Amino acid sequence: ETGVTQTPRHLVMGMTNKKSLKCEQHLGHNAMYWYKQSAKKPLELMFVYSLEERVENNSVPSRFSPECPNSSHLFLHLHTLQPEDSALYLCASSQAGAGTEAFFGQGTRLTVV
Amino acid sequence: QKEVEQNSGPLSVPEGAIASLNCTYSDRGSQSFFWYRQYSGKSPELIMFIYSNGDKEDGRFTAQLNKASQYVSLLIRDSQPSDSATYLCGAGAGSYQLTFGKGTKLSVIP
Repeated sequence: ETGVTQTPRHLVMGMTNKKSLKCEQHLGHNAMYWYKQSAKKPLELMFVYSLEERVENNSVPSRFSPECPNSSHLFLHLHTLQPEDSALYLCASSQAGAGTEAFFGQGTRLTVV
Repeated sequence: QKEVEQNSGPLSVPEGAIASLNCTYSDRGSQSFFWYRQYSGKSPELIMFIYSNGDKEDGRFTAQLNKASQYVSLLIRDSQPSDSATYLCGAGAGSYQLTFGKGTKLSVIP
């Protein structure tokens, strides 16, 4: 069983659509993350939730809206996206504390048309 | 601005050779350092982490940390074609801060 599971694996959406990405972790961690990975750019941290509270929001446009209903689930709600938002969106989890490594899900490959 | 710098490569090494991957970081507050391997189309997979100055060995992998120089490296001994991937260096400061470099693409030639 994969520790961090993301659905869907692939998503194509129009600029006027609304969709959601889902992440679930089975590792008992208390922190969850959304990262964006674009071609030839570093992994960009978008949001961090610790104990279901958002602790980090790295100047992400409001067309991305995260939700963390409990410590095992994380969502990223998408609306009115732009073509430049096309990327691999990775969810990760960790046990919050200094120096704890993050475990990643398989990612959602998003294409905005 | 916290930054992690890596040579994007590609780094090509023959099978059986030692591959040396390097990384520098800008935040002196960074306390933990990670190496992730990412195959094309897949998610990053943690292969090594290091917190203290010096070397840390795990099988064919050795991570080296020099905090004074703000430098981290990963050595892969006896490189195999299956090691061909992009290697991401990450630096952590505090409970949640994990900043990544762009990654170095490694190609092991049979």
